[in-house]
Amino acid sequence: GAGVSQSPRYKVAKRGQDVALRCDPISGHVSLFWYQQALGQGPEFLTYFQNEAQLDKSGLPSDRFFAERPEGSVSTLKIQRTQQEDSAVYLCASSNRDNSGNTIYFGEGSWLTVV
Amino acid sequence: QKEVEQNSGPLSVPEGAIASLNCTYSDRGSQSFFWYRQYSGKSPELIMFIYSNGDKEDGRFTAQLNKASQYVSLLIRDSQPSDSATYLCAVTSGSARQLTFGSGTQLTVLP
Repeated sequence: GAGVSQSPRYKVAKRGQDVALRCDPISGHVSLFWYQQALGQGPEFLTYFQNEAQLDKSGLPSDRFFAERPEGSVSTLKIQRTQQEDSAVYLCASSNRDNSGNTIYFGEGSWLTVV
Repeated sequence: QKEVEQNSGPLSVPEGAIASLNCTYSDRGSQSFFWYRQYSGKSPELIMFIYSNGDKEDGRFTAQLNKASQYVSLLIRDSQPSDSATYLCAVTSGSARQLTFGSGTQLTVLP
């Protein structure tokens, strides 16, 4: 597609429910990032993939968070046993080079509300 | 102390004025510096990036970097109501590939 596509755009989950958020990066982009953005805050880094390899997962807040990119394209961020503090926008970004910044493109985000 | 600090605002300027947005960072090893614009409910959009000390101009936008003071700023000349948004400062450091963002400054340009 033309841009980074994320789904669902909006998700309401009951506390304790598992959710899966999907990211379809720009075709051919090697690097893929997940960020979490709470209301009124800047995006916080969660994890980074280069192709199918998860090279950095230092930002994942707990072992309830899990991300995968098995074939080096589409990525899924899974949150198990959701808690209210997980309510945020989850942004996916992709890049066609190994470095970040001036080649990174963000998706519109998945808005998660945990009730 | 957060790694990237910004005044949260809100900052209000009249149409046609210069808007000045500031950012400081704590890691002296930071190498690349970015300004993103984020409209409410939308994703961040890159406006400017700067790697070297000094000024970099692109249209109405000027990014200024002072590595000695660990300070980066964004000037918006001839501000327009359409510039009203949250401006996010971001940096990359060392071998890390991810961006580290500040919390953003909300700018309102009054017609």
